[in-house]
Amino acid sequence: GAGVSQSPSNKVTEKGKDVELRCDPISGHTALYWYRQSLGQGLEFLIYFQGNSAPDKSGLPSDRFSAERTGGSVSTLTIQRTQQEDSAVYLCASSLAGDFRLHFGPGTRLTVT
Amino acid sequence: AQRVTQPEKLLSVFKGAPVELKCNYSYSGSPELFWYVQYSRQRLQLLLRHISRESIKGFTADLNKGETSFHLKKPFAQEEDSAMYYCALSGTSYGKLTFGQGTILTVHP
Repeated sequence: GAGVSQSPSNKVTEKGKDVELRCDPISGHTALYWYRQSLGQGLEFLIYFQGNSAPDKSGLPSDRFSAERTGGSVSTLTIQRTQQEDSAVYLCASSLAGDFRLHFGPGTRLTVT
Repeated sequence: AQRVTQPEKLLSVFKGAPVELKCNYSYSGSPELFWYVQYSRQRLQLLLRHISRESIKGFTADLNKGETSFHLKKPFAQEEDSAMYYCALSGTSYGKLTFGQGTILTVHP
């Protein structure tokens, strides 16, 4: 079946603009994660959704970052007033509940100029 | 708080040599530990998990609770093992997975 998909694959934006990154998880996966991958920082946890529970937002670096998951499926990560330090690859992953065999998407490479 | 530390950003070995990628963790309870791998131009994927006590592609990892370590080992490295390796930890069944900074392994011919 289809794996986790993300769009766009690349996004170049000007500093100060808002961006939306999309993630389509594997059907039936109730857990969904957003991570940020950058050189020197490794894989940084951003937010975690599990079923109908309140999301774990403890990794969001500032209030410019937000995410939602509609209908327990598609998720959107929004970054407002982008800054150059937001440049990174944003990875989405999904899994079955309580199963840490995460299935990662291909990522969205965000470049803020 | 849960934390994973991979002290080596870069590791280079020659083909056929043993390799060990270090991982140390901080967690007060009983964690689940994992190794994920990302090969060039591929997605990040699970390599192995400690609970399975398995060997994947010749790699093994033993959880040492006394030293809070979960080092990844392979006795004879191959060129195709060149990749980015991440150690990861989860403290609860339904909690988040925390990753280390990653180690880039290069196996020279």
